[in-house]
Amino acid sequence: KAGVTQTPRYLIKTRGQQVTLSCSPISGHRSVSWYQQTPGQGLQFLFEYFSETQRNKGNFPGRFSGRQFSNSRSEMNVSTLELGDSALYLCASSFRTGFYNEQFFGPGTRLTVL
Amino acid sequence: TQLLEQSPQFLSIQEGENLTVYCNSSSVFSSLQWYRQEPGEGPVLLVTVVTGGEVKKLKRLTFQFGDARKDSSLHITAAQPGDTGLYLCAGPRGQNFVFGPGTRLSVLP
Repeated sequence: KAGVTQTPRYLIKTRGQQVTLSCSPISGHRSVSWYQQTPGQGLQFLFEYFSETQRNKGNFPGRFSGRQFSNSRSEMNVSTLELGDSALYLCASSFRTGFYNEQFFGPGTRLTVL
Repeated sequence: TQLLEQSPQFLSIQEGENLTVYCNSSSVFSSLQWYRQEPGEGPVLLVTVVTGGEVKKLKRLTFQFGDARKDSSLHITAAQPGDTGLYLCAGPRGQNFVFGPGTRLSVLP
């Protein structure tokens, strides 16, 4: 069974631009979560989508948004990019919603903001 | 201030040695998970502990959840180079899911 895929793998943007990242979950998984990983702050939870609805949300500003499609694929958008948004963005999928379930992570998208 | 603290931050040991890494919080968690992350990859779930005092074994890895559900430990017996990686603990906090800063383990052959 194919794992979680994320596109693109690398991205360079400039301050003020916006960016959209994509995540395709494991077939049959309906929950998709997004995380930001930086050397300074570590791994931080952004939000979780299940059946096209946001179910859980971390402490990030409204510039960070997401959505999920009927085929469970998910996109994450960051508007008005700041230098501090440079990070590895990880997507994880699981069969059910909720933090007790095993999440399978993708390899991430490395975003650099110049 | 991190909700989950991990110690030590870095650990470098020789193959065959035993080690323990810790995950601590001042808050009660309903469950804690341990992950290992290798360079260039996403984290991989090792275990979920739910009950206070629970002990789970996964081959050479032993996980313990504190009685008060505020702390957890991971013990590795006879470490191997393949155990090298970043070990992260994580747990749910309401609608959020928080991670500790991790312990970076290096096992030298």
